[in-house]
Amino acid sequence: AQSVTQLDSHVSVSEGTPVLLRCNYSSSYSPSLFWYVQHPNKGLQLLLKYTSAATLVKGINGFEAEFKKSETSFHLTKPSAHMSDAAEYFCVADVSGGYNKLIFGAGTRLAVHP
Amino acid sequence: GAGVSQSPSNKVTEKGKDVELRCDPISGHTALYWYRQSLGQGLEFLIYFQGNSAPDKSGLPSDRFSAERTGGSVSTLTIQRTQQEDSAVYLCASSLTGGTTDTQYFGPGTRLTVL
Repeated sequence: AQSVTQLDSHVSVSEGTPVLLRCNYSSSYSPSLFWYVQHPNKGLQLLLKYTSAATLVKGINGFEAEFKKSETSFHLTKPSAHMSDAAEYFCVADVSGGYNKLIFGAGTRLAVHP
Repeated sequence: GAGVSQSPSNKVTEKGKDVELRCDPISGHTALYWYRQSLGQGLEFLIYFQGNSAPDKSGLPSDRFSAERTGGSVSTLTIQRTQQEDSAVYLCASSLTGGTTDTQYFGPGTRLTVL
């Protein structure tokens, strides 16, 4: 069965230090992969997406993610955390093979400390 | 431009009552999706519409749940005889064509509380 696993439920970093949010997927084919962010009391917002083009994907707000087929991973990184990055992040896969039926990881809550 | 809107933003109901949740997608988007976000289950897919038809309703948890879409636009998710386990945030999303490279735009959600 296809699934998305976010390896950390909580990550805490200091402002200005790098961010790494880990995600592994399980699929019988190379799915489209996404990272979404959810700020408190706000809707889900797309950060970036991988759709079988370049394996290194750049998104908004300085985030990027690298698709590694050999490791079935799609980790999200940012060189320098900002206080405004504090939110919940979801790694997401399209498992429909055609119409964008998304399955979500359990989420990683990112805390950023001054 | 206007994004996806949902109403009501909050709904409190008593167990056994029926509720209707509404989604207004972005104008011109043919694909519409409903998801549910709950503490125990995380975010889960419920149903997908392409135009007015629902080719995939595999995520609806029981026959108490139904959804329709009219005019290729507004969608209503109906839950009959609500149960406490139905308490969750119900999210709607739309995309331009439903293609795998499309971006889904999410609404703010309806928080349903069943007492």
